[in-house]
Amino acid sequence: TQLLEQSPQFLSIQEGENLTVYCNSSSVFSSLQWYRQEPGEGPVLLVTVVTGGEVKKLKRLTFQFGDARKDSSLHITAAQPGDTGLYLCAAPTSGTYKYIFGTGTRLKVLA
Amino acid sequence: EPEVTQTPSHQVTQMGQEVILRCVPISNHLYFYWYRQILGQKVEFLVSFYNNEISEKSEIFDDQFSVERPDGSNFTLKIRSTKLEDSAMYFCASRPHRGTTAEQYFGPGTRLTVT
Repeated sequence: TQLLEQSPQFLSIQEGENLTVYCNSSSVFSSLQWYRQEPGEGPVLLVTVVTGGEVKKLKRLTFQFGDARKDSSLHITAAQPGDTGLYLCAAPTSGTYKYIFGTGTRLKVLA
Repeated sequence: EPEVTQTPSHQVTQMGQEVILRCVPISNHLYFYWYRQILGQKVEFLVSFYNNEISEKSEIFDDQFSVERPDGSNFTLKIRSTKLEDSAMYFCASRPHRGTTAEQYFGPGTRLTVT
């Protein structure tokens, strides 16, 4: 069974601090997506990473796909209260149409 | 910008009743999905749909569930006889093609409450 484990589960930081959240698996994935979800809303796609070692930047967010395509990280520089939310990683399971989601990291940025 | 829409936003139903959740995927997308998220838990895959048939379904998607694309626009999830444990947010998603770079876009969800 393919699983995505995210860490930490919860993170509360002050505005302006940097943080990194992780998405790990023992399985290899062809691609991996990061989403942000607000309470009561659907996940909003942030980025898709495809190539091992790939780094993508979205303003203050930096996403990296592990060289072996088994893990990924999301780094936020100078976090702002607007970054507060649930960050989810997701990936298609091999040979299927099915996506699995990570357990999520709930981030709270305090002003 | 095209988006996935879902109706209703909130559905309250009594145990044993049938519900139909509706989704309008992005118009040129080919793959459609339903997921659910029980409060405080992770997003769980229910079913994928391509070319007017189910591509894959999870163990959650038992005989009480069915999906349909009745008119080439809407994509529906029917729960025949709802149970208390069906209470969750249900999300529809679509993607344009199957390739590894094809991105999956989610609707805002329907909150189903079974009483």
